[in-house]
Amino acid sequence: DQQVKQNSPSLSVQEGRISILNCDYTNSMFDYFLWYKKYPAEGPTFLISISSIKDKNEDGRFTVFLNKSAKHLSLHIVPSQPGDSAVYFCAASVPGNTPLVFGKGTRLSVIA
Amino acid sequence: KAGVTQTPRYLIKTRGQQVTLSCSPISGHRSVSWYQQTPGQGLQFLFEYFSETQRNKGNFPGRFSGRQFSNSRSEMNVSTLELGDSALYLCASSAGQESGELFFGEGSRLTVL
Repeated sequence: DQQVKQNSPSLSVQEGRISILNCDYTNSMFDYFLWYKKYPAEGPTFLISISSIKDKNEDGRFTVFLNKSAKHLSLHIVPSQPGDSAVYFCAASVPGNTPLVFGKGTRLSVIA
Repeated sequence: KAGVTQTPRYLIKTRGQQVTLSCSPISGHRSVSWYQQTPGQGLQFLFEYFSETQRNKGNFPGRFSGRQFSNSRSEMNVSTLELGDSALYLCASSAGQESGELFFGEGSRLTVL
């Protein structure tokens, strides 16, 4: 049973526009959420995170929004750049030393 | 500071063989986690080692095993390989604190023929 779901396998956006990647979760015990970016032939790299006590976290062009009541989070990239083209993974964890649970990823293509 | 190093990067095996993958974490990191990535399945957790002890384990058959050495380096082993074991195996290290960010290596691409 998938606890972290990324229902859009792919997304295509024009350069300069906003990219919105979505993630839903089912486990209400999740209290920490992360986004990772992965280029081909490379390992995933950490992008941004958010704790469940917040509803928004911003880092430059990247903003993550958390809606706990809807068990939904989203990653906004503004403005999108061709170098943002990658697979984005949403991940979540429960309190304690437990493993991160990842979604299946969304492939973002930013078209120049 | 050197990142997470995984060896080998690519390997090809045949069904029934076994394979050992190696991971050297970031210096000072005591936790090493292993994930399997297959097309359409995302990253699936295999196991995590902290200070030479398996701290967490995912839902994989017993053919998948691992260990961690006193220098925090880790190995994972897959015995009696099956075609479905073809995947990218990713190792990640962290300092081991709760809700810690994982730092991933580039992965070992295993192909089983």
